[in-house]
Amino acid sequence: GAVVSQHPSRVICKSGTSVKIECRSLDFQATTMFWYRQFPKQSLMLMATSNEGSKATYEQGVEKDKFLINHASLTLSTLTVTSAHPEDSSFYICSVNLPKRGGTDTQYFGPGTRLTVL
Amino acid sequence: QKEVEQNSGPLSVPEGAIASLNCTYSDRGSQSFFWYRQYSGKSPELIMSIYSNGDKEDGRFTAQLNKASQYVSLLIRDSQPSDSATYLCAVNKSGGYQKVTFGTGTKLQVIP
Repeated sequence: GAVVSQHPSRVICKSGTSVKIECRSLDFQATTMFWYRQFPKQSLMLMATSNEGSKATYEQGVEKDKFLINHASLTLSTLTVTSAHPEDSSFYICSVNLPKRGGTDTQYFGPGTRLTVL
Repeated sequence: QKEVEQNSGPLSVPEGAIASLNCTYSDRGSQSFFWYRQYSGKSPELIMSIYSNGDKEDGRFTAQLNKASQYVSLLIRDSQPSDSATYLCAVNKSGGYQKVTFGTGTKLQVIP
């Protein structure tokens, strides 16, 4: 069954508005979640690592003031794209690490959110 | 040098054939290796994970790891048109390090 859910699956908004995307881990607690962005026909790009109860760690080149991440609980992380512009249109995917026996984590992805900024 | 390298393809194979997907990585400290399948417009789906040298089989899929050569591959036997997708190789340093590095993916086309 699904390990991670995302909401909404698709959103269309006007330029200048803010959009919030939710990522939830199902049936387990995730202290760390990851946010990726994928432009058409390109590879996954890690944007940031969301840490429960502390500030997110952003990858180089990702504006922390534009992409606000909140990980307020062990099952929910949110990504808010502030003042969205057409160039922010992309496929946003969250993922969580599911701990496995032996200490090896495996990353599972949410279904993704398709953002279109008009 | 990219941390994880894959041939972008497309790799075309006839239905029923064996598809061989390859991946090399640069960090010798890497300990966990994953193959994900991504259909167009969808998020990646975990296919296989492998942690030790050798082969690991799961149904029609076989992952092969050679740490000395820093090489990991995925074989798909009896390829089906439904296997047509982009396959992403991912590498994790493990040891408590949770961030995974992805390759750019290889597009596989299985021709009926």
